[in-house]
Amino acid sequence: GAGVSQSPRYKVAKRGQDVALRCDPISGHVSLFWYQQALGQGPEFLTYFQNEAQLDKSGLPSDRFFAERPEGSVSTLKIQRTQQEDSAVYLCASSPGANYGYTFGSGTRLTVV
Amino acid sequence: RKEVEQDPGPFNVPEGATVAFNCTYSNSASQSFFWYRQDCRKEPKLLMSVYSSGNEDGRFTAQLNRASQYISLLIRDSKLSDSATYLCAVPGTRALTFGSGTRLQVQP
Repeated sequence: GAGVSQSPRYKVAKRGQDVALRCDPISGHVSLFWYQQALGQGPEFLTYFQNEAQLDKSGLPSDRFFAERPEGSVSTLKIQRTQQEDSAVYLCASSPGANYGYTFGSGTRLTVV
Repeated sequence: RKEVEQDPGPFNVPEGATVAFNCTYSNSASQSFFWYRQDCRKEPKLLMSVYSSGNEDGRFTAQLNRASQYISLLIRDSKLSDSATYLCAVPGTRALTFGSGTRLQVQP
């Protein structure tokens, strides 16, 4: 597509509920990134894929967070047993490769109540 | 020291003013840097890339100072529409590391 598409745009989850956030990157972009952004802060790195391989997941805050990109295109970020501290905007970005800037999607605003 | 640091601001400037932001980084191996613009409740959008000594695009100039490990963004002839948060980004081991952003408010 023309840009990075994320869904849902907004998600309200009850504490303890599992959620799945979807990212559809720009066609042909091999690199895909997930970031978490809290209010008033910059995006914080979560995980990185090159095609279908998850090359870095050092930013995932706990083992409740899981990401996949099984066919090297669409990616899903799953959060199990959501907690209030998981409330944030989750941004997905893609890029053609190293040394290129990223294109971000509009993000998913997750609120855990 | 944080990997990437920015003055949070806000910078309140009148229309037509020149304003500059700095961003310091700690990873001296970085080769390419980026400035992003983020409007309230929107995603960051790439504003400029800085690969060597600097880059200029219209009213915007980005400079790199490797010796002191900082990059700067200069905005000339500020417009009301320049009001936003400006994020710098520095390559980390695998992905870009972002600063917390500097908020700019251009006033009429």
